[in-house]
This record gives sequence, structure tokens and C-alpha cells, in this order.
Amino acid sequence: AQSVTQLDSQVPVFEEAPVELRCNYSSSVSVYLFWYVQYPNQGLQLLLKYLSGSTLVESINGFEAEFNKSQTSFHLRKPSVHISDTAEYFCAVSPDYNQGGKLIFGQGTELSVKP
Amino acid sequence: NAGVTQTPKFQVLKTGQSMTLQCAQDMNHEYMSWYRQDPGMGLRLIHYSVGAGITDQGEVPNGYNVSRSTTEDFPLRLLSAAPSQTSVYFCASGAYSYNSPLHFGNGTRLTVT
Repeated sequence: AQSVTQLDSQVPVFEEAPVELRCNYSSSVSVYLFWYVQYPNQGLQLLLKYLSGSTLVESINGFEAEFNKSQTSFHLRKPSVHISDTAEYFCAVSPDYNQGGKLIFGQGTELSVKP
Repeated sequence: NAGVTQTPKFQVLKTGQSMTLQCAQDMNHEYMSWYRQDPGMGLRLIHYSVGAGITDQGEVPNGYNVSRSTTEDFPLRLLSAAPSQTSVYFCASGAYSYNSPLHFGNGTRLTVT
């Protein structure tokens, strides 16, 4: 069975500082990996995904995540955060035999960016 | 451009009452699902459907029923609400493809007293 562990439940950081949100997964098969973001009182939105190819993937708003197969990790990073990045972030996996949709989510990490 | 629409936004029930959470999508997605979100537990899959007439159980199906009579709609039924079902419920849809993202509704906050 697959599982996802997000190592930090809350991450407070000052504006313009770098941040890393950690995600580890366990799986006996190859997986696809995702990061979703949830702004207050909203549903989740896809931030970025790793399917295959380059292990470093980027989002349009400056986040990046690196797939590390040996460490079974998919940590999310941003070199300089903004107040608007305050949200909850979820890491998710989907086994490669999955036709789609049945994502397994981590517990979430609340990112709080302070001025 | 509605996407995934959930109603109601908020609901308070008494133990033993029944209700249906509505979910509709206008993107012609084959796949639809229901998750519940609880503090510290992330999102857990309740039920999902890969097309009209096809449903299956997820991780936490007990106490919930679903049906999928059309591509667009995927209602979630609570037949006899319990306090343990107090949660925020999200409906999500996507194309039936490994590289297709899920599109989420804005959630229904349910309180069972």
C-alpha cells in the first residue's frame, strides 16, 4: 500500500525567506507525485506534478519540487516566499497502475508567511 | 466557467438525520470522487466513480452512499448522520488519466450534533 508523510504540520516563515516543505512517500511500485495548495475556504488546486523525465519540476509561481527516488521524497521549495503564499500544502501520490484520480494525500503542511 | 460545484456550503445536522451533499461538474470528466478533510489527517477518499453507473469504495466508505446516474452529478448521501461525520467534504473530478489533475469544489462544512 502507498502512504504519504508530510514531516511538518506547520511552517512559519518571514516574507522573502526561503522555505522547504517536506514530503516522503512509501510505495512498492512506481508513483506519480503531486503538490496541491489550499487557500483559506477554498478547494485544493494543483501546484505541480512529477510524472516522468526531469526530477525537478516547477510551478508558475516560483515553487519547485525535486523527485528523489532513493530517498522516496518529493520536497517542495521556494527561494523567496510572499504573504500570498500563506496556505495549506498537500503532497499526494498516485501509483503508476492507477488510471487516474485515486490520489493518496499527506496530512498537509500549513505555511504561514509573516511580514 | 463553473468547474466543480458543491452545495450546500454549510450544514448542521442532528445525530440520526439524513442528507445529501450535491456535487456537479461541467467539464465532462469521467472520474469523480468524494474526500473528507479532518485536521491532521489530510484528505481521505470516501467513494469514487470512473463513469456513469460505476462507483467504488475508497478508504473510509462506512456511513456514506453514492450513485452516479449521469456524468455530471455525483451526490453523497449520509443515511444516519453521526458526530464522527463532522468534517469538511470535498468533491473532485478529473479525466480518467494518470496525468490529469483533480479539480476540487470549494467544500461543504458539515457539523453533526
